[in-house]
Amino acid sequence: QKEVEQDPGPLSVPEGAIVSLNCTYSNSAFQYFMWYRQYSRKGPELLMYTYSSGNKEDGRFTAQVDKSSKYISLFIRDSQPSDSATYLCAMSPYSSASKIIFGSGTRLSIRP
Amino acid sequence: DAGVIQSPRHEVTEMGQEVTLRCKPISGHDYLFWYRQTMMRGLELLIYFNNNVPIDDSGMPEDRFSAKMPNASFSTLKIQPSEPRDSAVYFCASSSSAGSRVTNSNQPQHFGDGTRLSIL
Repeated sequence: QKEVEQDPGPLSVPEGAIVSLNCTYSNSAFQYFMWYRQYSRKGPELLMYTYSSGNKEDGRFTAQVDKSSKYISLFIRDSQPSDSATYLCAMSPYSSASKIIFGSGTRLSIRP
Repeated sequence: DAGVIQSPRHEVTEMGQEVTLRCKPISGHDYLFWYRQTMMRGLELLIYFNNNVPIDDSGMPEDRFSAKMPNASFSTLKIQPSEPRDSAVYFCASSSSAGSRVTNSNQPQHFGDGTRLSIL
């Protein structure tokens, strides 16, 4: 079993829809939780960061961490075609700077 | 800010040849990571360095792979001899531990645009 599980998709939704992306994990030592966004033929870039449990909101994006269930989510409101990308969850027990474990990524397509 | 610079962007070579991938991290960053990305296996960490010293190379697939970081501004990943199953996109990333004494501080990894490697 992988340490981090993520549904690879692909996920296709109409513009304006609310998108929910999720990951589960098995290592209870994880404390740092991240979502990276990767556009085609580019490297991943950090989108959202959360330490420990709770919610974090940034514009149209909300990240949720439920450590009791070992489950993290990313919500995208009012989705736009420019949100079409692969979204990778990532987590670490140490810090966001050092070794982090990535999920396999969910490919998201927003239809105009 | 120049970001993480990788070269070459694309490499096509024949099986058995030596391949060298290069990375210039962001100035001042003390961590450097090499990743491999494929459709089947996703993004895998191969090796990472802290202050030019290899910390964890458990992700290196086999002895054909080696990585060096001779100074703070340059790293190489070498495959010798290369095989078709090594075909993938290889990413380099760097990050800074500055401020890491604050437990919940955010210090993201910054990725280059990758080297797309094809072994024929």
